[in-house]
Amino acid sequence: GQNIDQPTEMTATEGAIVQINCTYQTSGFNGLFWYQQHAGEAPTFLSYNVLDGLEEKGRFSSFLSRSKGYSYLLLKELQMKDSASYLCAVPNNNDMRFGAGTRLTVKP
Amino acid sequence: SQTIHQWPATLVQPVGSPLSLECTVEGTSNPNLYWYRQAAGRGLQLLFYSVGIGQISSEVPQNLSASRPQDRQFILSSKKLLLSDSGFYLCAWSVGGTGSPLHFGNGTRLTVT
Repeated sequence: GQNIDQPTEMTATEGAIVQINCTYQTSGFNGLFWYQQHAGEAPTFLSYNVLDGLEEKGRFSSFLSRSKGYSYLLLKELQMKDSASYLCAVPNNNDMRFGAGTRLTVKP
Repeated sequence: SQTIHQWPATLVQPVGSPLSLECTVEGTSNPNLYWYRQAAGRGLQLLFYSVGIGQISSEVPQNLSASRPQDRQFILSSKKLLLSDSGFYLCAWSVGGTGSPLHFGNGTRLTVT
């Protein structure tokens, strides 16, 4: 089976940096995804990590440690529009299993 | 480019009534198709996925069913809705292997009264 854990809520200040953690347990590892979901909308793909290390994509970076079953999403120079839920997900054969998501609130 | 259409956007149905939600994908062939449900303030729950026409895998035993009558069409149905069926239903597609991301439709917000 698979178990994916993320903090439920986080708050950060505009312009700051925030790190959202995700730990997972899976019987077979095929990479880890991060999605962003604004309230009332569908999730959108942010990043994919399959090898250990940091993947940078603009203001967003994602890190993976396979040996620790751990990933984080790093958001820099926070903007108000970054207020959203961030979902960690791992593939399982032909489907995708999601964590419950971390709701990030960015305050001025 | 690929697009996914999901309808309706919102739906209010009485308990015991039937349900049909439809999803179609354009611009790709033989996609993997998925139905997820998200209860208010909760995570995404996988309901069904399909790797080809007529091939449906069910993750949660309940009063919902899914069908894939055409390659790029995925339908979620129920004969009799329950109050607990309320939620945000999302259709998604992917192509390729396990390293391919899901692309979601805009979702259907279902309220069962």
